[in-house]
Amino acid sequence: GQSLEQPSEVTAVEGAIVQINCTYQTSGFYGLSWYQQHDGGAPTFLSYNALDGLEETGRFSSFLSRSDSYGYLLLQELQMKDSASYFCAVDTGRRALTFGSGTRLQVQP
Amino acid sequence: DAGITQSPRYKITETGRQVTLMCHQTWSHSYMFWYRQDLGHGLRLIYYSAAADITDKGEVPDGYVVSRSKTENFPLTLESATRSQTSVYFCASSESGARNEQFFGPGTRLTVL
Repeated sequence: GQSLEQPSEVTAVEGAIVQINCTYQTSGFYGLSWYQQHDGGAPTFLSYNALDGLEETGRFSSFLSRSDSYGYLLLQELQMKDSASYFCAVDTGRRALTFGSGTRLQVQP
Repeated sequence: DAGITQSPRYKITETGRQVTLMCHQTWSHSYMFWYRQDLGHGLRLIYYSAAADITDKGEVPDGYVVSRSKTENFPLTLESATRSQTSVYFCASSESGARNEQFFGPGTRLTVL
């Protein structure tokens, strides 16, 4: 089966940097995705990592270490609008994603 | 309008009734997915479809039925609704499965009394 672990809540202040970790145990692994979801809204795609290393997209970066079954999402220059839930999701090759339970990020002024 | 839509957005029903949630996408994406979202469980996959007339079970398929006669539509039916099926249901689509970005609909909030 598949299991993903991520912290349930993270709090940070505006302008700071925050890292949201995700560890996974899966039978088969092709890649790790990150999605953002604001309260009452739909999830939206942030990134997909298939290879080890850091990928940067603006203020957001995503990292993957396949040997450690570990990834993280890094958010820089935090803004109030970044307050949301963040989900990691694994691609096990079954054509569908398995999502973690999500990390609720609260950005404080 | 282009995109992915779900209807109804809100639904209240009673235990034992049949309910169908609709999902429509205008991108001609091959893949479509149904998820349910409950507090503490994140998004759990119910069913997905790789193309018209091809469907597969996800993590929590019991009590649900899907069909995909046309590429753009992927309805989800609760044959006999139970209180445990009270949830927010999201439909999503993508070009080619897990490696590609999934585009989510706005969700349907279903309450089973």
